[in-house]
Amino acid sequence: GDSVTQTEGLVTLTKGLPVMLNCTYQTTYSPFLFWYVQHLNEAPKLLLKSSTDNKRTEHQGFYATLHKSSSSFHLQKSSVQLSDSALYFCALTSSGSWQLIFGSGTQLTVMP
Amino acid sequence: EAAVTQSPRNKVAVTGGKVTLSCNQTNNHNNMYWYRQDTGHGLRLIHYSYGAGSTEKGDIPDGYKASRPSQENFSLILELATPSQTSVYFCASGERTGAGNTLYFGEGSRLIVV
Repeated sequence: GDSVTQTEGLVTLTKGLPVMLNCTYQTTYSPFLFWYVQHLNEAPKLLLKSSTDNKRTEHQGFYATLHKSSSSFHLQKSSVQLSDSALYFCALTSSGSWQLIFGSGTQLTVMP
Repeated sequence: EAAVTQSPRNKVAVTGGKVTLSCNQTNNHNNMYWYRQDTGHGLRLIHYSYGAGSTEKGDIPDGYKASRPSQENFSLILELATPSQTSVYFCASGERTGAGNTLYFGEGSRLIVV
């Protein structure tokens, strides 16, 4: 079945540095990938999404490119801020599916 | 912005007791979902619904029931709560995710079973 893998459980960075959170997926259907962000004691919210191969998608300074050849949808930001500290989930759905499958999440902590 | 509200936000239950978590959405979405969130497991789907009167099993339905009496309301029921069901539960609503539609989440219900 479909699956999503996020390899880093915890990432700690100093403010101003770049970050990349890894996400790979498996599906035999046409994929739609999402990044959701959850700040402490808040609801998860959509950050960005894409189904277009090799096209960069951006929102709030974060960006990601879906690469179907490598089954990846890594989340990046060039300069992290303290307010970026949150739990980030990569999620997958596919054509014909009713379900959204989440990865295990990556906790990003940004230090002053 | 879609509004999804959950109640109660916090609940302490005794083992063997019955727990009902309620969810209400005001955006007329057809689909509603119940997830639980545990460290290291992300969000796991318990039950979902295509519309009023329908409920479907998700990936981890054992020990849970669901009820969708109306378009707006979707409940998660633990008939005999166990300590392993201690978790944070999120309700979400949205249109068909396979078409790339966004899910809108409530703020979560923290359940502790003692």
